[in-house]
Amino acid sequence: QVQVVQSGAEVRKPGASVLISCQTSGYTFTRYSIQWVRQAPGQGLEWLGWINAGYGHMSFSHKLRDRLTFNQDISASTAYMQLNRLTYDDTAVYYCARDLPDTGFFDFWGQGTPVTVSS
Amino acid sequence: QTALTQPASVSGSPGQSITISCIGTSSDIGAFDYVAWYQQHPNRAPRLVIYGVTNRPSGVSSRFSAFRSGNTASLTISRLQADDEADYYCSSYTTSRTYVFGTGTKVAVL
Repeated sequence: QVQVVQSGAEVRKPGASVLISCQTSGYTFTRYSIQWVRQAPGQGLEWLGWINAGYGHMSFSHKLRDRLTFNQDISASTAYMQLNRLTYDDTAVYYCARDLPDTGFFDFWGQGTPVTVSS
Repeated sequence: QTALTQPASVSGSPGQSITISCIGTSSDIGAFDYVAWYQQHPNRAPRLVIYGVTNRPSGVSSRFSAFRSGNTASLTISRLQADDEADYYCSSYTTSRTYVFGTGTKVAVL
């Protein structure tokens, strides 16, 4: 069965970076994209970007494109998201989710990774 | 990318039907058949309940239905149940090759 498991909670100081992993299993990793979404406390969902696991193509939200990096380890069926130069506004739960290209929906989600930015 | 517009809250009694609207533009909802809806219970990850504008994934109750008219998508929950109480988000692919979510709607079962 499809599983999407994310790394654990993180606490960072302003200006630091955070790296979140998204380990998948139960399907062919390279046939799908991985989408990244975040949710600030008490707020709605915010789309961050995606990486196509097969071709390595990426897309980023205009708001974060200069601070966001996506990567992947195909051999481990794992995707990574790194957010740099953190600010207090980056405090949120970060989700990854599976997406079959050209279908427009995210069908399996990770459990979420809380990131707290605090001095 | 501006978030799609949803009502902040919708409520109904058990057994009733409710409809949540999601207003976008010709660059997102009106541009592709890539409209989806997600249900999110408190402190849980979102769960897909509608994809491709009108389709239900396997395992999602037939009480959930959706449609689109122009640049507005809508989700209807029929025969409302206590477990339907959650936040609901629409999403759409956009002409900029990005995605955008709705502002979210809190559904209360009275």
